[in-house]
Amino acid sequence: DTGVSQDPRHKITKRGQNVTFRCDPISEHNRLYWYRQTLGQGPEFLTYFQNEAQLEKSRLLSDRFSAERPKGSFSTLEIQRTEQGDSAMYLCASRKDRDSNYGYTFGSGTRLTVV
Amino acid sequence: AQKITQTQPGMFVQEKEAVTLDCTYDTSDPSYGLFWYKQPSSGEMIFLIYQGSYDQQNATEGRYSLNFQKARKSANLVISASQLGDSAMYFCAMREARRTGGFKTIFGAGTRLFVKA
Repeated sequence: DTGVSQDPRHKITKRGQNVTFRCDPISEHNRLYWYRQTLGQGPEFLTYFQNEAQLEKSRLLSDRFSAERPKGSFSTLEIQRTEQGDSAMYLCASRKDRDSNYGYTFGSGTRLTVV
Repeated sequence: AQKITQTQPGMFVQEKEAVTLDCTYDTSDPSYGLFWYKQPSSGEMIFLIYQGSYDQQNATEGRYSLNFQKARKSANLVISASQLGDSAMYFCAMREARRTGGFKTIFGAGTRLFVKA
């Protein structure tokens, strides 16, 4: 297993367009997290899944954002009608249920630029 | 509300010397976990070290140690014998249990460390 994979690495889109990002977690990790990181800031929590169930969503996740994790494997994060304020690095992380003493394994992120 | 504060936006250290990165946290939950992550210029967050709120001893992982002062709500990261490859952003983070049954981790704003040759 090569770790958490995110695709694409970079995405440039015009304002108003829809974008979708994909995250493939480590196969035995049943918890999956999405974070957003803007320049000079720490990651901000967006949402997380335990298997296929989305257990919590941040207030940052407006109705333009939706995340899924069908079958508890990979996850997608979709942003509809993108705005310039959506420009950020979107990070995916995963963890095993019982590994509470370990940190997340993060992917390399998807950098979104809305022009 | 839970909160992580890193007061040092940037720090310089001479190669081979030790450096301490500050972190204070605020929570009313008696059970929590504290983490430090490193983010090099490549962008990937790398887990460094973990400290549980009930742990009696300070955590250590190689050249990293966590100076945990529970009463002061402080969890400073100490890097000994700094190397040029330690130059990166460092984030302190705290995890709390959620009523939904899982955990949520929040991050501080980070400290950028520069190691000088």
